[in-house]
Amino acid sequence: DGGITQSPKYLFRKEGQNVTLSCEQNLNHDAMYWYRQDPGQGLRLIYYSQIVNDFQKGDIAEGYSVSREKKESFPLTVTSAQKNPTAFYLCASSVSDRSTDTQYFGPGTRLTVL
Amino acid sequence: GQQLNQSPQSMFIQEGEDVSMNCTSSSIFNTWLWYKQDPGEGPVLLIALYKAGELTSNGRLTAQFGITRKDSFLNISASIPSDVGIYFCAGPPPNTGNQFYFGTGTSLTVIP
Repeated sequence: DGGITQSPKYLFRKEGQNVTLSCEQNLNHDAMYWYRQDPGQGLRLIYYSQIVNDFQKGDIAEGYSVSREKKESFPLTVTSAQKNPTAFYLCASSVSDRSTDTQYFGPGTRLTVL
Repeated sequence: GQQLNQSPQSMFIQEGEDVSMNCTSSSIFNTWLWYKQDPGEGPVLLIALYKAGELTSNGRLTAQFGITRKDSFLNISASIPSDVGIYFCAGPPPNTGNQFYFGTGTSLTVIP
């Protein structure tokens, strides 16, 4: 099956610890994205990558880091510098074809920092 | 990315009723996307629109790409309980480097 996988579904960490969220896609999409969603709110862009070994900060990049060493993978690290990390994190990917831009989402990871 | 104006914010309807929601932007869009998100899940793409004036259906769902290219509408006919969820519009405005803008969401509750 083609799609986007995120693991784990639920993640618990102690305050002050870094944690890495996994995102893998087998859709052969060039672009990948990380969003944060808080209760009752819309999606906020953390980081995005249009091509391997390149990524750009989104609206709320502080306290987060990413890497894009492979086309299929775009892991997100939530560092101890992120002041309020408890949230629902969504990974997405899209085809970099301006005539038919479409973005697909993974199932999400709910991170709870205790 | 910036947020699009989506309305209404929430709707409570009786099963069997039709639903209509819309999304507007101050920028011209070349693509409009509509998603549904269930609690604790990722958004699922419902309909994608790529041309101004385009009207596309997916079962009981129909979406339209506004002629001005600054708005889009989603209609759900004969609602059923499983239509409950949050509906988002989205699109990549031109010249934004592949970023997508999202609506604030419409929360739909269907009363059996």
